[in-house]
Amino acid sequence: KQEVTQIPAALSVPEGENLVLNCSFTDSAIYNLQWFRQDPGKGLTSLLLIQSSQREQTSGRLNASLDKSSGRSTLYIAASQPGDSATYLCAVDMDTGRRALTFGSGTRLQVQP
Amino acid sequence: DTAVSQTPKYLVTQMGNDKSIKCEQNLGHDTMYWYKQDSKKFLKIMFSYNNKELIINETVPNRFSPKSPDKAHLNLHINSLELGDSAVYFCASSQGLQASSYEQYFGPGTRLTVT
Repeated sequence: KQEVTQIPAALSVPEGENLVLNCSFTDSAIYNLQWFRQDPGKGLTSLLLIQSSQREQTSGRLNASLDKSSGRSTLYIAASQPGDSATYLCAVDMDTGRRALTFGSGTRLQVQP
Repeated sequence: DTAVSQTPKYLVTQMGNDKSIKCEQNLGHDTMYWYKQDSKKFLKIMFSYNNKELIINETVPNRFSPKSPDKAHLNLHINSLELGDSAVYFCASSQGLQASSYEQYFGPGTRLTVT
């Protein structure tokens, strides 16, 4: 059974700092990995999707990497801003054709102005 | 031009009642999902449909019955509501099972409170 863990559970940084959020999964037979952002009381916004054959994806100040063999992904946020404050969720889609995401419990990020 | 929409956004009801949550996507996707986010913010798959056909039923109680009248809609009906059903329910969609990308797009969620 796939388990997804995110560390740390919460993180507070001053504005402008670069930061890394970690995601690990127990079963490396994944099809893809998706990073989401969730603002309080809101839905999930897809940030980046990495296919299992890819090593990284970039979108603006965000860079997500994937090491499938070791069961790890990182989300790098450059030059953090107060508007980046949210909960960041990592989710994996198993290579079983089920197309259902298994989520981590999230990292709650607070960027202090 | 909301991609995935859900109604209602909030739902407060008493134990034992029956309620429905509606979901619609205008992305032309073939696959739709229901996820449940519990009080600890943990998200878990409940159901998925592909072209109106049930693909995943993740050991959800029979009181929960999804219905897909067409591939743009996936509704969730809940019978005999219990206190433990209180949660936020998210609808999502993605391209079909043979697509090259399975990026999932989520709706805004429906916060269900059972009293």
